[in-house]
This record gives sequence, structure tokens and C-alpha cells, in this order.
Amino acid sequence: KQEVTQIPAALSVPEGENLVLNCSFTDSAIYNLQWFRQDPGKGLTSLLLIQSSQREQTSGRLNASLDKSSGRSTLYIAASQPGDSATYLCAVVEYGNKLVFGAGTILRVKS
Amino acid sequence: KAGVTQTPRYLIKTRGQQVTLSCSPISGHRSVSWYQQTPGQGLQFLFEYFSETQRNKGNFPGRFSGRQFSNSRSEMNVSTLELGDSALYLCASSPPGQLEKLFFGSGTQLSVL
Repeated sequence: KQEVTQIPAALSVPEGENLVLNCSFTDSAIYNLQWFRQDPGKGLTSLLLIQSSQREQTSGRLNASLDKSSGRSTLYIAASQPGDSATYLCAVVEYGNKLVFGAGTILRVKS
Repeated sequence: KAGVTQTPRYLIKTRGQQVTLSCSPISGHRSVSWYQQTPGQGLQFLFEYFSETQRNKGNFPGRFSGRQFSNSRSEMNVSTLELGDSALYLCASSPPGQLEKLFFGSGTQLSVL
């Protein structure tokens, strides 16, 4: 059974810092890995999708990497801003659009 | 283009009742999936519908069911509600040929008293 773990569970940083969120998964037989952002009481917004054949994806200040062999992914956020404060969720796709999610990292960026 | 719309936004029910939640996908999207989010279990996959057929199902009891209509709108039903069913229920739709690209609605917050 696929299990996804995210570390740390919570993170508080001053504005402007670069930061790394970690995600690990137990079964490397995945189609892709996705990072989402969730604001309180809201739905999820897709940030980055990395296909299983890819090593990384970039969007603006965000960069996500994938190492299938070791079962790890990282989300790098450059020059963090207060507006980045949210819960960040990592999810792996086993098939179709059945996603297995981690518990998330709650990020707070202080101004 | 309108996003995924879920109604109602909030719902309060009592144990033993049943509830129906509605999801309207983005226009042109034919795949709809449902997720349950709780503080203890996090986000868990419920089921996925495509062209009115259930294609995948998560590990939830039979009290949880769903359906999809010809216009791709979907409903999920929970019968004989339990306190543990209190959760945020999220619906997501996917564009044709890109099943892994999910667009989520804002969810229905269900409270069971």
C-alpha cells in the first residue's frame, strides 16, 4: 500500500528565505507526482506536476524534483513571501486520477 | 471559464440521516473524482466517474456512493451518517486526455452532530 510522508509538518520562516519541503513515498511504481497548495477552508490548487520520466519541473519561484528510485521529491520555494503561507500537499498518482496524498506541510511566512 | 462548483458549501446533519452533495465540473471535463479530507486521515480518494461510469473506488464502506449524469455533473451520497463522516468533501474534474490534471472545487464542509 502506497504511503506518502511529508516533512516537516509545519514550518515558519521570515519573508525572503529560500525553503525546501520534503516528500517521500514507499512504492516507486507511480505515474507522476504532484504538489498542491491549499488555503484554509478551500480546495486544492495544482502547483507542479512531474511525470515519472521527468526529474524536475519549474514554475516561477517554485521548483520540484523527483527521484523515483529513492522515493523522494522536494519542493523548493525561492524568496518566500507572506502570500506563500498555506498548506502544501504532495500526492502520487497510482493510476487514472487516484491520488495518494501526504499529510501536508503547513507553511507560514512572516513579514 | 467557470471552475468546479460544489454545493452546498456547508451542511449540518445528525447521525443516521443521509446527505447528497453536488459537483459541477468545468465545462468539457468528463472525469469527476471525489476526495474526503479530515484532520486525522488527511485526503483520501473516494471514487472517480467518467462518462457516467464509476472507474475507480477507494476503501470506503458502501454507505458512500456516487453517480454521474450525462452532463458530467456528479453527486455523492452518504447514508446512515456517522460522527466520523464529518469532513471536507472535495470534488475535482479533469480535462479530456489529461486525467492526472485535477481542478478542485472549494468543497462541501459536512458536520455530523
